[in-house]
Amino acid sequence: DGGITQSPKYLFRKEGQNVTLSCEQNLNHDAMYWYRQDPGQGLRLIYYSQIVNDFQKGDIAEGYSVSREKKESFPLTVTSAQKNPTAFYLCASSPYLGTGVGSPLHFGNGTRLTVT
Amino acid sequence: KNEVEQSPQNLTAQEGEFITINCSYSVGISALHWLQQHPGGGIVSLFMLSSGKKKHGRLIATINIQEKHSSLHITASHPRDSAVYICAVEDNQFYFGTGTSLTVIP
Repeated sequence: DGGITQSPKYLFRKEGQNVTLSCEQNLNHDAMYWYRQDPGQGLRLIYYSQIVNDFQKGDIAEGYSVSREKKESFPLTVTSAQKNPTAFYLCASSPYLGTGVGSPLHFGNGTRLTVT
Repeated sequence: KNEVEQSPQNLTAQEGEFITINCSYSVGISALHWLQQHPGGGIVSLFMLSSGKKKHGRLIATINIQEKHSSLHITASHPRDSAVYICAVEDNQFYFGTGTSLTVIP
C-alpha cells in the first residue's frame, strides 16, 4: 500500500543538539510538506517542496532545514537554533500544489519530539 | 489572522446523535478538505470538495462557496467517531483550522 512513513514515532534530544526527522513517501507525489502541531493551534507550515532539489520556507522556518534530493524523501532537521523545538511534527504530501485544482493531501503518522 | 475558523472547538455527544461541525474561511480556494486526527496523532483525509456535497458512509460534507462556509455532518454517531476533525482550505498552500475535538459517549 502507498503511504507516508515518518520515523521515529518518538524522539528525545538534549538541548543544543541537532536532530533529523525522516519522511518517506511511495505515492509518487511531487509536493511534500512539513508541519508543526502545538496544542490549541492549527498546523503550521515549516517548509514545503514542489519538486526535487527545490524547497521553500513556510511560516515558521527559522531554526529548521530540509533537503529534497529524491522525490520520495523530505527529511527535516531541527537545529539548535530553534528556540522551542518540542512539538508534534507531521509530514504530508500531495500530487501537486497551486494548480487551481484541489490536490488530495496525505499525512504520515507524525514524530513527537521532546527536547530537554 | 486566521484564514480558517472552526466551531465548536469541543463537542460531546451521546451515541446515535446527529453531529455538525462548521468551518468558515476567508481566502479564495481551489478546494476544502476535512481531515480526521485520532489520539495517536496520524491524520487521514475524509473529504476534498470544491462545490456541493459529498457523502461517505455516515459522513456528509457540504460547501457553500458564496458564503465561504462548509459543514461536516456525522449521522448516527458512534464512540469510534471520537477524534479531532480539522478543516483545511487550499489555494497555493494549505491553511488549517484549529480542529474540533469530538467525544461520543456510549
